[in-house]
Amino acid sequence: AQSVTQLGSHVSVSEGALVLLRCNYSSSVPPYLFWYVQYPNQGLQLLLKYTSAATLVKGINGFEAEFKKSETSFHLTKPSAHMSDAAEYFCAVSPSGNTPLVFGKGTRLSVIA
Amino acid sequence: EPEVTQTPSHQVTQMGQEVILRCVPISNHLYFYWYRQILGQKVEFLVSFYNNEISEKSEIFDDQFSVERPDGSNFTLKIRSTKLEDSAMYFCASRWDRDNSPLHFGNGTRLTVT
Repeated sequence: AQSVTQLGSHVSVSEGALVLLRCNYSSSVPPYLFWYVQYPNQGLQLLLKYTSAATLVKGINGFEAEFKKSETSFHLTKPSAHMSDAAEYFCAVSPSGNTPLVFGKGTRLSVIA
Repeated sequence: EPEVTQTPSHQVTQMGQEVILRCVPISNHLYFYWYRQILGQKVEFLVSFYNNEISEKSEIFDDQFSVERPDGSNFTLKIRSTKLEDSAMYFCASRWDRDNSPLHFGNGTRLTVT
């Protein structure tokens, strides 16, 4: 069975600092991996996805994630945090494109001025 | 940009009552989903729907739940007799095809069962 573990339910960074949100997955087959963001009172918005092409994936709003098979990780990073990045971030895995996503518990990112 | 819309944004109901949560997926999408998120917990898959039938469902999606696409635009989730533990945020999602096209989510309906 596929699963996702997000380390840290809450991460707090200063404005301009590096953002690192951790995600580890388990999957019996090469997975599809996703990061979604949820702003207050809104739905889940796709940030980026990995689908077995380049291991470094660039997404919207300056975020990127690197697929590391040896570490079964797909951590999300952004070089410089902005106040508008404050939101809940979800990592998700799917063993293939046509199976439902399995989500992690989410990490709430706070950005301090 | 087209989006998935859900109504209502917040629904309060008494235990044992039936509720219908409504969703309008993006118009050219073919695959539809319901997920839920109990407060403080993971986003969990409930059901997927394609070609007017359920294609996959989770253990959560028991006989109390049903889905329907009554016309060409709406996609509904019905809970026949709500329980306290059904209180959650319910998200509708759609995608264009079954492969790695992304899921587009609605803003969710917060269901509170009292």
